[in-house]
Amino acid sequence: GPKVLQIPSHQIIDMGQMVTLNCDPVSNHLYFYWYKQILGQQMEFLVNFYNGKVMEKSKLFKDQFSVERPDGSYFTLKIQPTALEDSAVYFCASSPGPGDTQYFGPGTRLLVL
Amino acid sequence: GDQVEQSPSALSLHEGTSSALRCNFTTTTRSVQWFRQNSRGSLINLFYLASGTKENGRLKSAFDSKELYSTLHIRDAQLEDSGTYFCAAEVPNYNVLYFGSGTKLTVEP
Repeated sequence: GPKVLQIPSHQIIDMGQMVTLNCDPVSNHLYFYWYKQILGQQMEFLVNFYNGKVMEKSKLFKDQFSVERPDGSYFTLKIQPTALEDSAVYFCASSPGPGDTQYFGPGTRLLVL
Repeated sequence: GDQVEQSPSALSLHEGTSSALRCNFTTTTRSVQWFRQNSRGSLINLFYLASGTKENGRLKSAFDSKELYSTLHIRDAQLEDSGTYFCAAEVPNYNVLYFGSGTKLTVEP
């Protein structure tokens, strides 16, 4: 099926540093998403993005978070500064349109020390 | 979150047996997706349903948008079916998936 890629697969950083998580969505998809999964817990929505704009965001999407997709390159999630509670697996997803099947990447495992 | 109640939380099956997972939705749901999360953490798409039923091999899923529930039936369970299964509901107008808490399935010889 369609593949979403995420880079890196793992990232370890010190609290307070900036981190950028990269997502390469399915090529003809227009909607992009980030979800967060803390170890052993359920997946939770962070944000969705369409046409260069954030459409919806949850309360988990703190002010320290930002997303962008400059010129059709990677769809990125930036956290600046990071906090201990940001340690989780971050999943990127994409879909052709609103309400369509969302396809998920393999996740980036972020550990904040 | 609170929008999706998934059961059971854990399930153990012997090879060759069958069972069903269920998700109840507490709000209007436009579509449902089912995923299996493998031991490496990757989410594998199983089904997308806006209504009715779909079948793929030994898996079958149904979604009743009026009664607000979805089921995933696993027939003739195999060892490779082990993993954590998630349902996710898409709420109209928000383009957001709300995930259930997952069912950890263990298939034993």
